[in-house]
Amino acid sequence: EIVLTQSPGTLSLSPGERATLSCRASQSVTSNYLAWYQQKPGQPPRLLIYGASRRATGIPDRLSGSGSGTDFTLTISSLEPEDFAVYYCQQYGNSPLTFGQGTKLEIK
Amino acid sequence: QVQLQESGPGLVKPSETLSLTCTVSGDSITSSYWSWIRQPPGKEPEWIGYIYYSGITSYNPSLWGRVTISVDRSKNQFSLKLSSVTAADTAVYYCTRNNGYYIDWGQGTLVTVSS
Repeated sequence: EIVLTQSPGTLSLSPGERATLSCRASQSVTSNYLAWYQQKPGQPPRLLIYGASRRATGIPDRLSGSGSGTDFTLTISSLEPEDFAVYYCQQYGNSPLTFGQGTKLEIK
Repeated sequence: QVQLQESGPGLVKPSETLSLTCTVSGDSITSSYWSWIRQPPGKEPEWIGYIYYSGITSYNPSLWGRVTISVDRSKNQFSLKLSSVTAADTAVYYCTRNNGYYIDWGQGTLVTVSS
């Protein structure tokens, strides 16, 4: 099973700042099949990025994904108020499909 | 746009079987793969398993032997059964449309295991 470790656990930033979230896999993710999700309280996760760097429908270009192999990054270039939430990475290259433990992005 | 809606009991007794149904609207259930995901309070999501309309399934080994996912094409629904539940199975259960990654999600239903 591929274990995904996200860092930091909590990230405190202000609107307008740049956010960099990390996801590290315990072994190489097949074909860079890595997705990112945003979750707000009481809501299901929302797909942001798939294939490590492809934005899902309707996702603004201030969000971007990068990385390959075992190290992946989600970058938000300039934080908007609606970006403060919990973010999860998920790999779908190997069974069982697994999620990271999440990064909470909070307002400083 | 696809909409998914989970339904089923919100309270299940220990050792009994959890049963949930997901109704798909806005698209045919023959169009994609469909999954169940659960999320214990305050924790990350966990993949339970998926099904294709043809009946092909795959399950998380951590739940092997306790989980069954089935599909009813005539009703555009798919279902989850999880047997011998314990308190550790308490979670919000989501049904999703997936292509490896999870594209569309239901709103989720909280299932509590308690006597």
